[in-house]
Amino acid sequence: DAEITQSPRHKITETGRQVTLACHQTWNHNNMFWYRQDLGHGLRLIHYSYGVQDTNKGEVSDGYSVSRSNTEDLPLTLESAASSQTSVYFCASRPAGGNTQYFGPGTRLTVL
Amino acid sequence: AQSVTQPDIHITVSEGASLELRCNYSYGATPYLFWYVQSPGQGLQLLLKYFSGDTLVQGIKGFEAEFKRSQSSFNLRKPSVHWSDAAEYFCAVGALTGGGNKLTFGTGTQLKVEL
Repeated sequence: DAEITQSPRHKITETGRQVTLACHQTWNHNNMFWYRQDLGHGLRLIHYSYGVQDTNKGEVSDGYSVSRSNTEDLPLTLESAASSQTSVYFCASRPAGGNTQYFGPGTRLTVL
Repeated sequence: AQSVTQPDIHITVSEGASLELRCNYSYGATPYLFWYVQSPGQGLQLLLKYFSGDTLVQGIKGFEAEFKRSQSSFNLRKPSVHWSDAAEYFCAVGALTGGGNKLTFGTGTQLKVEL
């Protein structure tokens, strides 16, 4: 079955380190999204992509970057991790012409 | 800018009782509206969605929601709650921008079910 996966599911890192969270989908969806989930804030959009080589900033993009070299993957990189980036990160994808986003299982990131 | 308000942070209901979770949105045009559910440690699962047409939409697990344009609301309902419905529920509004679809989420409502 087609699916969307995230790895790792849990990660602990130190302040200042570079961290990359992986997102992989096998639906061949053009559109992919990264959100972070924090208590009292719900889910907030970090970055999104409408296709290969396309990336766009969301509402909380500072300190994060993404790249889209193929349809299946949208890795999220924290250039220099900060304690404020401790959160649960969700990746989602949506087919071209569709309106529903499908979410991965999430990655819990702790920055010490 | 679009926004979503879920005024109830926590709700507790008894098993078998009816449930209504409130959602109010702000959006300049006809919105695309969604309800997602998140069980502990899990990702988000789509319960139902509204794009157009019939304002009462049916979803999975016996849930339904009614779109009321005059009240800018999209409340989620279930006539009889089961213990397995305990989870966090998120309302979201979507916009079509440049061929994509960005979702704005509410802060969520945590549902507790008493046996």
